[in-house]
Amino acid sequence: GESVGLHLPTLSVQEGDNSIINCAYSNSASDYFIWYKQESGKGPQFIIDIRSNMDKRQGQRVTVLLNKTVKHLSLQIAATQPGDSAVYFCAENNPTGYQKVTFGTGTKLQVIP
Amino acid sequence: SQTIHQWPATLVQPVGSPLSLECTVEGTSNPNLYWYRQAAGRGLQLLFYSVGIGQISSEVPQNLSASRPQDRQFILSSKKLLLSDSGFYLCAWSVLGPESYNEQFFGPGTRLTVL
Repeated sequence: GESVGLHLPTLSVQEGDNSIINCAYSNSASDYFIWYKQESGKGPQFIIDIRSNMDKRQGQRVTVLLNKTVKHLSLQIAATQPGDSAVYFCAENNPTGYQKVTFGTGTKLQVIP
Repeated sequence: SQTIHQWPATLVQPVGSPLSLECTVEGTSNPNLYWYRQAAGRGLQLLFYSVGIGQISSEVPQNLSASRPQDRQFILSSKKLLLSDSGFYLCAWSVLGPESYNEQFFGPGTRLTVL
């Protein structure tokens, strides 16, 4: 949903621990979901995606879980490193009409060395 | 490979002055193009998107405008800047594949400060 006016929630994690970042999406018709990582002063970068016909997808140190029943998406980062410190956004693709992707609120991940 | 450029990288402008931010994409044809604004510590606000030359859709009424004079060029403009226009402006592109997935790729952004 729209996230413009909200301060970003922050998740603090000890280096080496696993991180779980959650996202609730709004449109039950959304067919594609993306996680982006945004480092300070830079544009968002693609991390991992998942289609609505899947419930889990794994990448290198990252796993995305999709629960369509409750419209919930999560990003799991294994063995969190200082370089993982960033803001993470989920995004949902609306397959109807306007070819737009809607971004979630964003979560700031702080890794404690 | 595809690349996206934005300039300038940073800009400081007085209130009431005009604005022109440019975004160009290389390595793809007929992309969807987007302008977002991000205030400090906030999420992404979609300002404009374009599905083709001369086709602009506005998401939020404001004193900004966008134009797409060429297939891979997207320009964000204002005739008179307001203090509230300060922020980080991001351009993005996407190309719909046969299964309609719409991954967006972002440029490096322009940091605009209006004084």
